[in-house]
Amino acid sequence: EAGVAQSPRYKIIEKRQSVAFWCNPISGHATLYWYQQILGQGPKLLIQFQNNGVVDDSQLPKDRFSAERLKGVDSTLKIQPAKLEDSAVYLCASSLDRGLSPLHFGNGTRLTVT
Amino acid sequence: AQSVTQLGSHVSVSEGALVLLRCNYSSSVPPYLFWYVQYPNQGLQLLLKYTTGATLVKGINGFEAEFKKSETSFHLTKPSAHMSDAAEYFCAVSVYGGSQGNLIFGKGTKLSVKP
Repeated sequence: EAGVAQSPRYKIIEKRQSVAFWCNPISGHATLYWYQQILGQGPKLLIQFQNNGVVDDSQLPKDRFSAERLKGVDSTLKIQPAKLEDSAVYLCASSLDRGLSPLHFGNGTRLTVT
Repeated sequence: AQSVTQLGSHVSVSEGALVLLRCNYSSSVPPYLFWYVQYPNQGLQLLLKYTTGATLVKGINGFEAEFKKSETSFHLTKPSAHMSDAAEYFCAVSVYGGSQGNLIFGKGTKLSVKP
């Protein structure tokens, strides 16, 4: 079984620029999550999708972050404009159903904002 | 509200020694509890989980954890450390009862194993 695919692995941008991350979950997984992991901290949930609908985006900074999962499969997370404090690893995870099965994580995208 | 506290950001043990990583939780609903491991430049991998039933749960790579409701703890142990266990370990609690997806993670404990 192929795992959760994320790209790019690394990204360096200047503050106020825009950036996008891509995630392809495990085939058949209906639920997709984006987590933000700042250095020295545990992951924090940004947004949860069930198929192509948003289940929970309460911790997503909506003034600058957006995410979509248009066809209920892969997803993109965008930051516009980026701030220095957005430097983090962005992890995508998926599960079979709405939280009834464990998460499978991708290797993440490491973002550095200078 | 749910929360997780991991005691000790860094633990160092000798190869062959007992590994004990501490986790205390707070939850307003019956908790689902998890331990994840993260190797450098990789995502998180599930080690073990407690949902319901037996309070002593066994996971991969010889790890186990015991859910103690009276102590609100879910400490991770392994009888004999191996060099390959060096990684960062995260304890997590579910936000919603019965869910394994929306999780609150602790800050992590980095385990070093000395030869």
